Amino acid sequence: QVQLVQSGAEVKKPGASVKVSCKASGYTFTNYGITWVRQAPGQGLEWMGWISANNGNTNFAQKLQGRVTMTADTSTRTAYMELRSLTSDDTAVYYCARTCSGGVCYSIYWGQGTPLTVSS
Amino acid sequence: EIVLTQSPGTLSLSPGERATLSCGASQSVSSSSLAWYQQKPGQAPRLLIYGASSRATGIPDRFSGSGSGTDFTLTISRLEPEDFAVYYCQQYGTSPLTFGGGTKVEIQ
Repeated sequence: QVQLVQSGAEVKKPGASVKVSCKASGYTFTNYGITWVRQAPGQGLEWMGWISANNGNTNFAQKLQGRVTMTADTSTRTAYMELRSLTSDDTAVYYCARTCSGGVCYSIYWGQGTPLTVSS
Repeated sequence: EIVLTQSPGTLSLSPGERATLSCGASQSVSSSSLAWYQQKPGQAPRLLIYGASSRATGIPDRFSGSGSGTDFTLTISRLEPEDFAVYYCQQYGTSPLTFGGGTKVEIQ
């Protein structure tokens, strides 16, 4: 069965960076992409961007351009999302989800979420 | 980017009642590329509907989606206790993908 297992909760100081992992199993990793979505406390869902696990192509939300990097390691079937220059506004639960190889798709399978707290 | 506006913000209903949730788009959604998700506290979103009206695998038939262009609707024909949750629409036809602000369906 398809599973996406994310890394654990993180606590970071303002200005720091965080790298969240998402390990995939149960499907051919390179046939799909991984999208990242975040949810601030008590708020809605925010699409952050997407990476193709096949060729590494990425597309990011404009507001995160320059601060976010998404990578995919095909040898370990793991996707990563790194966010730099953190502020308290980045406090949220971060989800990875499987998407189609072209990125503009709905997501059936989701990770369990990784809570990130940014606080001094 | 396409802005999705969901209404109402909160829907207070009783089990067995019909729920009608709306999602309006600021511009036409390409190829009816509109999905609905259900989210319960502490859980990841769960896909209910894609392509505006196709139910995802395992989703009960009391959930139905309709609409095209800029106006979409999710209908829950008879609310079950497990249906009380927050519902989000998402357009995936145009990058950046965007979500609506959500509708909370609560027990009256």
